[in-house]
Amino acid sequence: AQTVTQSQPEMSVQEAETVTLSCTYDTSENNYYLFWYKQPPSRQMILVIRQEAYKQQNATENRFSVNFQKAAKSFSLKISDSQLGDTAMYFCASLNTGFQKLVFGTGTRLLVSP
Amino acid sequence: DAGITQSPRHKVTETGTPVTLRCHQTENHRYMYWYRQDPGHGLRLIHYSYGVKDTDKGEVSDGYSVSRSKTEDFLLTLESATSSQTSVYFCAISESTRGGTEAFFGQGTRLTVV
Repeated sequence: AQTVTQSQPEMSVQEAETVTLSCTYDTSENNYYLFWYKQPPSRQMILVIRQEAYKQQNATENRFSVNFQKAAKSFSLKISDSQLGDTAMYFCASLNTGFQKLVFGTGTRLLVSP
Repeated sequence: DAGITQSPRHKVTETGTPVTLRCHQTENHRYMYWYRQDPGHGLRLIHYSYGVKDTDKGEVSDGYSVSRSKTEDFLLTLESATSSQTSVYFCAISESTRGGTEAFFGQGTRLTVV
């Protein structure tokens, strides 16, 4: 089975601080992608960062970075220097490269306060 | 812009009536998905398609059917709508580019079953 678990329904952080969102996954595939998507109140889904499972190096995108632990099937998102615009729902997702089944977690609501 | 259009954007329907949601894409993508989004549940996969007439069930497929008779259109049908199917429905495609694989989403359809 292909599953994604996000155990933090809500997180809060103050502006300029660092926050880490947790995600664990399960898949029987060897080749897959992992993603973090952001959903602001507009409901638009925005790709934050992606990681290819065969790449050992953790992906980074400006203030966003991941800690990818393949053996533990863990894929956490670190947001540095948090900004008010980071307030949103964040979804972790996995995509198997075979039939490209794309599965999401339940999401973490992040609130960044001044 | 992956050229994904969902229609209708909003719909109110009565219990027991059939409802069809349409997802249209302009970029000839092979993989398409239907999700429902509910508070506390994140995005749950209903059905997905990996080619014309090739579809598979997701985790919440009961009460839903899909059809894909041509590449650009992926239809989601609620044969007999129930109040539990009140939700926001998202269509998505996955695309492989030089930068990697990414999913793109439609704007969502808010369906209310009364």
